[in-house]
Amino acid sequence: EAGVTQFPSHSVIEKGQTVTLRCDPISGHDNLYWYRRVMGKEIKFLLHFVKESKQDESGMPNNRFLAERTGGTYSTLKVQPAELEDSGVYFCASSRTLGPSGANVLTFGAGSRLTVL
Amino acid sequence: DQQVKQNSPSLSVQEGRISILNCDYTNSMFDYFLWYKKYPAEGPTFLISISSIKDKNEDGRFTVFLNKSAKHLSLHIVPSQPGDSAVYFCAASPYSGGYQKVTFGTGTKLQVIP
Repeated sequence: EAGVTQFPSHSVIEKGQTVTLRCDPISGHDNLYWYRRVMGKEIKFLLHFVKESKQDESGMPNNRFLAERTGGTYSTLKVQPAELEDSGVYFCASSRTLGPSGANVLTFGAGSRLTVL
Repeated sequence: DQQVKQNSPSLSVQEGRISILNCDYTNSMFDYFLWYKKYPAEGPTFLISISSIKDKNEDGRFTVFLNKSAKHLSLHIVPSQPGDSAVYFCAASPYSGGYQKVTFGTGTKLQVIP
């Protein structure tokens, strides 16, 4: 099966500009997550979609970040306007619907590195 | 407030010896614990997990130990191989009706020296 695909792999933008990151999860995975890692820090949770609905967006830093998952398939994460502290690697991950037991094993994409100058 | 902590940013081990990576957590509601491995320019990949009702889970060269009273888990790799050189992330999640938010640590960079 195809893995989680993220685009672009690297984006360099100026402060104040807009960037949109895209994630295509594994087909059939209802759960889609966005995470961010700033160098040397933890992989930090941003939000979680179940199909097209936002299940948990408690990790979104502020209202400059907007995530969508139209039709419950691919997802986009838009940063507008970008600030210097938004630099980092944005990871998307997906997983199947969970049963009554078992760990939530996430499959990650390779990440989108965002550099804000 | 970091709920999953990996206090060692790096570790170097000779090939063939044991690698021990440690992780501490603060949230007693965590039900599952996972280890992920990450190579440069790639996303993290799942390695092994353990449920809170167990104290050990083994998969080939990889064994995870859980000490609930100490809120501590460790990953043992025996024998270590150069291909194991990567960043290892500890992660944990509660079980809550089918929706599990996975919380990650800061990672430990393992270098296995040939």
